Amino acid sequence: DIQMTQSPSSLSASVGDRVTITCRASQSISNRLNWYQQKPGRVPEVLISAAINLQSGVSSRFSGSGSGTEFTLTINSLQPEDYATYYCQQNHISWAFGQGTKVEVK
Amino acid sequence: EVQLVESGGGLVRPGGSLRLTCAASGFTFRNHWMHWVRQAPGEGLVWVSCISDEGTTTYYAESMKGRIAISRDNAKDTLYLQMNSLRAEDTAVYYCVRAVYKYGDGDWFDPWGQGTLVTVSS
Repeated sequence: DIQMTQSPSSLSASVGDRVTITCRASQSISNRLNWYQQKPGRVPEVLISAAINLQSGVSSRFSGSGSGTEFTLTINSLQPEDYATYYCQQNHISWAFGQGTKVEVK
Repeated sequence: EVQLVESGGGLVRPGGSLRLTCAASGFTFRNHWMHWVRQAPGEGLVWVSCISDEGTTTYYAESMKGRIAISRDNAKDTLYLQMNSLRAEDTAVYYCVRAVYKYGDGDWFDPWGQGTLVTVSS
């Protein structure tokens, strides 16, 4: 099974900060990496597919990069509505999520 | 509007069974692979199972293999998850999700249903 590891597990940031979340796969997954956002009490929503493709309607503050085993989700100029938990997910072999990264108010 | 509505969750005793149902609308159900994802209280997302568009191929997470069965009825636009021999650690919200596939990019989950809570407790 492919294991997905996110870092950090949580972080504190202020509005306007640039936030970076890393996701590492236990083996190469090419570009088969998606990012989801889950706000408290809400269902997850896809932000980015195939490592770099911003989903329709998602703010351009969000960007994704990486391939192979290391991927990054960047939030430029953090906004109040961005406080949430973020998950990476691979779909290269089967499907698996990272453990999540909670972005909290500093 | 694309919509997924789960039902069938509830309180069940250890060793018991439940059948979850997901009613789909707003899209051509038979054209999409469908998945179940669960989330224990305060925990992260865990992939559970999926079924191909025609229902001929299924996959299961190792942690639940042998105790669950996914199925679909394309005539009714409905997805199912039969869960047997339930354990306390199966307590979670179970989400029905549609897979969107693009050649070269793989697939992603969109949208997610609102989830149905399964509580396994004596």
